[in-house]
Amino acid sequence: GAVVSQHPSWVICKSGTSVKIECRSLDFQATTMFWYRQFPKQSLMLMATSNEGSKATYEQGVEKDKFLINHASLTLSTLTVTSAHPEDSSFYICSARDPTGFEEEFFGPGTRLTVL
Amino acid sequence: RKEVEQDPGPFNVPEGATVAFNCTYSNSASQSFFWYRQDCRKEPKLLMSVYSSGNEDGRFTAQLNRASQYISLLIRDSKLSDSATYLCVVISSGNTPLVFGKGTRLSVIA
Repeated sequence: GAVVSQHPSWVICKSGTSVKIECRSLDFQATTMFWYRQFPKQSLMLMATSNEGSKATYEQGVEKDKFLINHASLTLSTLTVTSAHPEDSSFYICSARDPTGFEEEFFGPGTRLTVL
Repeated sequence: RKEVEQDPGPFNVPEGATVAFNCTYSNSASQSFFWYRQDCRKEPKLLMSVYSSGNEDGRFTAQLNRASQYISLLIRDSKLSDSATYLCVVISSGNTPLVFGKGTRLSVIA
């Protein structure tokens, strides 16, 4: 079936650095991808909708200048956490919806970010 | 009112038990409905879609009641491997984002 990959799967960085997370749809072209964040024992929170060739749509309360999203091709979206701080430590998950399927959404395996 | 509401649990059941999860959604225009399963520290994975006519996949049965805006998931003959968080998910239309419930935790105990 369709597969979505994420890279890296985990990252530890110092406070103040920027971290880029890649999300790729391997079996299909995705005009829309989604970025989520999940804190321990909490539900997935949608951060933004990534649209190929146009600006991302951010959810209320998500700083667009801090979480930069680029969807340069139909198979790749990137999320850059700029000037990361310890409170940004979380599990970041992307997803892509196969437009040829029955709206099934496939999730990447997630990226665990720890900011020291 | 939250868009998708679920009982957070946890549900602790013995192996072999039958357990049911319920979910309600507030947007009457919602078009597609799913149950996802999420294991600890992993991404959500689609368990099954939910159709108005109801659907069954092995030990799992999903039901949708559009009039009551209610979705259910029934798990029969619970296995230890069924332990996970079950997420009720709704889509309004097209490319709109999934709307997740907070999930219901299930622990199946030997």
